[in-house]
Amino acid sequence: DADVTQTPRNRITKTGKRIMLECSQTKGHDRMYWYRQDPGLGLRLIYYSFDVKDINKGEISDGYSVSRQAQAKFSLSLESAIPNQTALYFCATSDLTTSGVQETQYFGPGTRLLVL
Amino acid sequence: QQQVKQSPQSLIVQKGGISIINCAYENTAFDYFPWYQQFPGKGPALLIAIRPDVSEKKEGRFTISFNKSAKQFSLHIMDSQPGDSATYFCAAGAGTALIFGKGTTLSVSS
Repeated sequence: DADVTQTPRNRITKTGKRIMLECSQTKGHDRMYWYRQDPGLGLRLIYYSFDVKDINKGEISDGYSVSRQAQAKFSLSLESAIPNQTALYFCATSDLTTSGVQETQYFGPGTRLLVL
Repeated sequence: QQQVKQSPQSLIVQKGGISIINCAYENTAFDYFPWYQQFPGKGPALLIAIRPDVSEKKEGRFTISFNKSAKQFSLHIMDSQPGDSATYFCAAGAGTALIFGKGTTLSVSS
């Protein structure tokens, strides 16, 4: 979905390097998420943010950190990359209705990361 | 309590057949059950979703069946087409982040 963009789309890095993956959205949503996808393991939540001042750890946050620079921007950092962080990373956004009902999550195109 | 178990891991169906993917959840607080479709090289996209106040929702060839007492829900794809070949994820949530199943790779042979 062009409303959610991720950069870079592909990245090769070496063990121990710090890297940042960036996500931007034009949907005006407050909620943003970072997921990791591995074959056979599905989508696992790394971090999520419900607004600029709110950051929450997901299922697999160890080794990762995030920054919510603005409503539209949510970046994921690997402080010291290791080979088992090789995966496909997705950013997503969503919103809530005024009655608090969860709405659709919209995913970006993904970043394929290889850690050597 | 937070897991969503999805089966089968892979599925091969002939063109025109019915594809069925099943999911089970544990947390009774979940109140939103979407299915996402993902094509190679793309991010997942919402296919269809259901809330627990109904037992079935149909959109075109895609139907969700929901069994609240059994804590199970399933996706049925009628008249499956080669263009339906993709990975399908079920998920469950309760106003916070979604919990996803591990995915089912569907191949529809022509």
